[in-house]
Amino acid sequence: DVKVTQSSRYLVKRTGEKVFLECVQDMDHENMFWYRQDPGLGLRLIYFSYDVKMKEKGDIPEGYSVSREKKERFSLILESASTNQTSMYLCASSPGSEALRSGYTFGSGTRLTVV
Amino acid sequence: AQSVTQPDIHITVSEGASLELRCNYSYGATPYLFWYVQSPGQGLQLLLKYFSGDTLVQGIKGFEAEFKRSQSSFNLRKPSVHWSDAAEYFCAVGGRGGGNKLTFGTGTQLKVEL
Repeated sequence: DVKVTQSSRYLVKRTGEKVFLECVQDMDHENMFWYRQDPGLGLRLIYFSYDVKMKEKGDIPEGYSVSREKKERFSLILESASTNQTSMYLCASSPGSEALRSGYTFGSGTRLTVV
Repeated sequence: AQSVTQPDIHITVSEGASLELRCNYSYGATPYLFWYVQSPGQGLQLLLKYFSGDTLVQGIKGFEAEFKRSQSSFNLRKPSVHWSDAAEYFCAVGGRGGGNKLTFGTGTQLKVEL
């Protein structure tokens, strides 16, 4: 089975800190995604990547950036954390050629609290 | 643009009762449709998917869903709910026109009464 591993289950950071959320997948998937999940809003796409060093903005990229230096790793960066970025962050991956037929595989999530 | 509506925020059913969770989508061509389940504190697990062929699809844990193009719907059903089905359920839509991106609904929280 594909595994998508998010390095931290819970994080507490201070306002203004630079925050790194790490995601690693072990099945050579081309596509990787970062979503945030908030009650009543469902999952909203922040950024995604189709290949190494490639990135595209999703629906809510403001305040975030990403890095994909290796195929298996996709990092989400909060340049200067703010309290409105307190949320559950979910990473997902999918194969390149049949991404939608396969669906996504999700990690367990990182619950970030910014104080 | 693609979008998904899950009109029920919360649903409560008794254990052993039947279940139907509603999902309506908006997409310009033939969509790829998914249902995911999220247990508390966990990531999302794929229950089932539809992209072509038979409009009634079977998934894991005894769930099924029916694609109805005329109603733009993809409702999730289960004939007899178990207490362990209590979770949040998300419907998602995607397609070639939207790249490989999935758009998710806002979710339906299912509570099961014993």
